[in-house]
Amino acid sequence: GDSVTQMEGPVTLSEEAFLTINCTYTATGYPSLFWYVQYPGEGLQLLLKATKADDKGSNKGFEATYRKETTSFHLEKGSVQVSDSAVYFCALSDRRGRRALTFGSGTRLQVQP
Amino acid sequence: DTAVSQTPKYLVTQMGNDKSIKCEQNLGHDTMYWYKQDSKKFLKIMFSYNNKELIINETVPNRFSPKSPDKAHLNLHINSLELGDSAVYFCASSQDENIQYFGAGTRLSVL
Repeated sequence: GDSVTQMEGPVTLSEEAFLTINCTYTATGYPSLFWYVQYPGEGLQLLLKATKADDKGSNKGFEATYRKETTSFHLEKGSVQVSDSAVYFCALSDRRGRRALTFGSGTRLQVQP
Repeated sequence: DTAVSQTPKYLVTQMGNDKSIKCEQNLGHDTMYWYKQDSKKFLKIMFSYNNKELIINETVPNRFSPKSPDKAHLNLHINSLELGDSAVYFCASSQDENIQYFGAGTRLSVL
């Protein structure tokens, strides 16, 4: 079945550091890929998405590129802020019709001032 | 206005009790979901409804029963609660592009 693997956290960075959170996936066909973010005590919010190979999703300074050859969708940000502290989830959606998201295990990011 | 709202936000109950969690979305979406998030933050799909029809029913004990009275509502009823049911339950909805919009979650604690 489909699966998503994320790097384990927590990831602790100083403000303005560069962020990479690795995500790889296994899926049949060509899934859509997503990054969701969960701030403390809140539900998940869509951060960015990509629907086909080589697409780059971007939002709020975060970027991720859909790499079919390496089955990866790594999340990057050039300069993190304390307000970016949250749990980040990589997910895929099977476009064959099932529609539910398959999530990675989440990566907690802690940004220190 | 909250797009996807769940009630209650917190639910503390004893083992063996029966409880319900309600979910409503005002986005006009056709598809709604229930996910379970365990203590390690791992999220897993439980159920999915499209226009009141059950689409996904994962390997979930039959003590869990979803009910969709209309396409804007998807409730979750849990019978005979067990300690292992303690988790955060998230409702979500989506339309064509499958961007899912999540509620704030219901934290269930079974004592």
